[in-house]
Amino acid sequence: EAGVTQFPSHSVIEKGQTVTLRCDPISGHDNLYWYRRVMGKEIKFLLHFVKESKQDESGMPNNRFLAERTGGTYSTLKVQPAELEDSGVYFCASSLQGVTEAFFGQGTRLTVV
Amino acid sequence: AQKVTQAQTEISVVEKEDVTLDCVYETRDTTYYLFWYKQPPSGELVFLIRRNSFDEQNEISGRYSWNFQKSTSSFNFTITASQVVDSAVYFCALSEAAGANNLFFGTGTRLTVIP
Repeated sequence: EAGVTQFPSHSVIEKGQTVTLRCDPISGHDNLYWYRRVMGKEIKFLLHFVKESKQDESGMPNNRFLAERTGGTYSTLKVQPAELEDSGVYFCASSLQGVTEAFFGQGTRLTVV
Repeated sequence: AQKVTQAQTEISVVEKEDVTLDCVYETRDTTYYLFWYKQPPSGELVFLIRRNSFDEQNEISGRYSWNFQKSTSSFNFTITASQVVDSAVYFCALSEAAGANNLFFGTGTRLTVIP
């Protein structure tokens, strides 16, 4: 069974550009989460989808970040326009309904120059 | 406010030694959950354990054991007879929910096991 897959694995963009990160959760997982780790700091929660609905987006830093989950399947996280402080590793995780462990992807390393 | 502190940034041990990774947490919630994740060189976070605040029993899983002490707000992780494959970054996390929503992570401890 495929795990959580994230694309791309690395992305280097210039300040002011737009970047879209993609997450393919494990098939059948209704819960999907985005987290990010800014260099040297903690991994921080961004938002949580249940199917296609945003359940909790309290961690989204500002309106330059837009997350979507089309049809309750894969999810995208768009950063527009990117700023230097957006650099870090963006993780996606998914889990089944109920009290279950979450499976994380390998992350997308975003570098804004 | 919720906070997790992993004071050990990096630890190196020789293979077969035991090692304990410390985790201290802060929360005002009476119900909460504690987690440990492992991040191997491949990058993904691998779930190791979840513990709720009402269950202070220590847990052992093979060479891994966890010591949860509410009195000291600690949830320490011990690896017995360490192996090279244990080399990874280990994260402790705290949440008010049992799932992966809004986890508060520590900064991680990088463990290197030297053969």
